[in-house]
Amino acid sequence: AQKVTQAQTEISVVEKEDVTLDCVYETRDTTYYLFWYKQPPSGELVFLIRRNSFDEQNEISGRYSWNFQKSTSSFNFTITASQVVDSAVYFCALSGYGSGNTGKLIFGQGTTLQVKP
Amino acid sequence: ETGVTQTPRHLVMGMTNKKSLKCEQHLGHNAMYWYKQSAKKPLELMFVYNFKEQTENNSVPSRFSPECPNSSHLFLHLHTLQPEDSALYLCASSFTTSITAETQYFGPGTRLLVL
Repeated sequence: AQKVTQAQTEISVVEKEDVTLDCVYETRDTTYYLFWYKQPPSGELVFLIRRNSFDEQNEISGRYSWNFQKSTSSFNFTITASQVVDSAVYFCALSGYGSGNTGKLIFGQGTTLQVKP
Repeated sequence: ETGVTQTPRHLVMGMTNKKSLKCEQHLGHNAMYWYKQSAKKPLELMFVYNFKEQTENNSVPSRFSPECPNSSHLFLHLHTLQPEDSALYLCASSFTTSITAETQYFGPGTRLLVL
């Protein structure tokens, strides 16, 4: 069975601090995809990144960076120099691969990030 | 991406009412999804449509009835709901469902309260 665990329920930081959101996944598939989404108070999930299991290079996009470690089944997300606008719920998600793929995303519980001024 | 719209944004209904949620995507996608997000629960996939054909029903009670008349529109018809059905209902779309996992883009959701 596939599973995504985001052990941190809530994180609170002060603006300009760096913060890392953890994501651990379980899957028997050798090929799979991982995603991060941001959900601000408005409710809409905003896509941040999609990564396939063959690409273990870390990725940086502005203040955002992702650390994918297949050996530990983790796909952690770091925000550098956090800002108040980063306050949101962040979701990690997992999807399968192959002819039976129906597009189903398995989401973690989400981590609520509060950035205080 | 802001190409997925949902109406209404808020809905209050009694248990005997019938209502419908509407989702429209302007991204040229072929797959559409309904998710349910309850308080303190992970997002749960409800239904998937690919090229207007339902490809996934995640054991959803029959009081929820989806309809996909074309690749751009998706409806969720609601009848005789229960208070525990109160949640945020999110619609998403992707280019297709395929061997590779396409990115899903979400709408703003409909916040439903069942009294």
